[in-house]
Amino acid sequence: GAGVSQSPSNKVTEKGKDVELRCDPISGHTALYWYRQSLGQGLEFLIYFQGNSAPDKSGLPSDRFSAERTGGSVSTLTIQRTQQEDSAVYLCASSEQAGDEQYFGPGTRLTVT
Amino acid sequence: GNSVTQMEGPVTLSEEAFLTINCTYTATGYPSLFWYVQYPGEGLQLLLKATKADDKGSNKGFEATYRKETTSFHLEKGSVQVSDSAVYFCALSDRSGGFKTIFGAGTRLFVKA
Repeated sequence: GAGVSQSPSNKVTEKGKDVELRCDPISGHTALYWYRQSLGQGLEFLIYFQGNSAPDKSGLPSDRFSAERTGGSVSTLTIQRTQQEDSAVYLCASSEQAGDEQYFGPGTRLTVT
Repeated sequence: GNSVTQMEGPVTLSEEAFLTINCTYTATGYPSLFWYVQYPGEGLQLLLKATKADDKGSNKGFEATYRKETTSFHLEKGSVQVSDSAVYFCALSDRSGGFKTIFGAGTRLFVKA
């Protein structure tokens, strides 16, 4: 079946602009995760959704970052007033249940100029 | 809080050499442990997992044993191939952490022909 998809694959934006990144998880997966991977670095946890529970936002680096998940499926990560340090690959993953193995999307490469 | 520590890379080996990538963890509960792999130009994918103490995860010739007494989950392969060149991430997921998955920093492996 279809895997996790993300759009856009690449995004170049000017400093100070807002961006929206989209994630389509695998159908039926109740858990959805967002991570950030900077060049040569590991994965930095951002936010996690599980079913209808309140999301775990403990990894969001600032209040410029927010995410929502509509209808328990598609998720959007929004970064307001982008800064150059926001440049990274943003990865989305989903799993059947929380704690299960995660299936990753191809990522969105964000470049802030 | 929960954490994962894995050996720094890069690790450079000749083909058919034995591979060990060390991973140790800290968790307040009883986590599930994972190794994920990121091949050049590809997305992250699960390599293997173990969900309880003394379990051995295995896949593609790689193995890792969940050692509760040493809080370790070292990745091993008896004979590496050039195609194993990738970045390897150790990770844990634990109910006490709300099933938020914590990743290690990643270890880059280069295998020379």
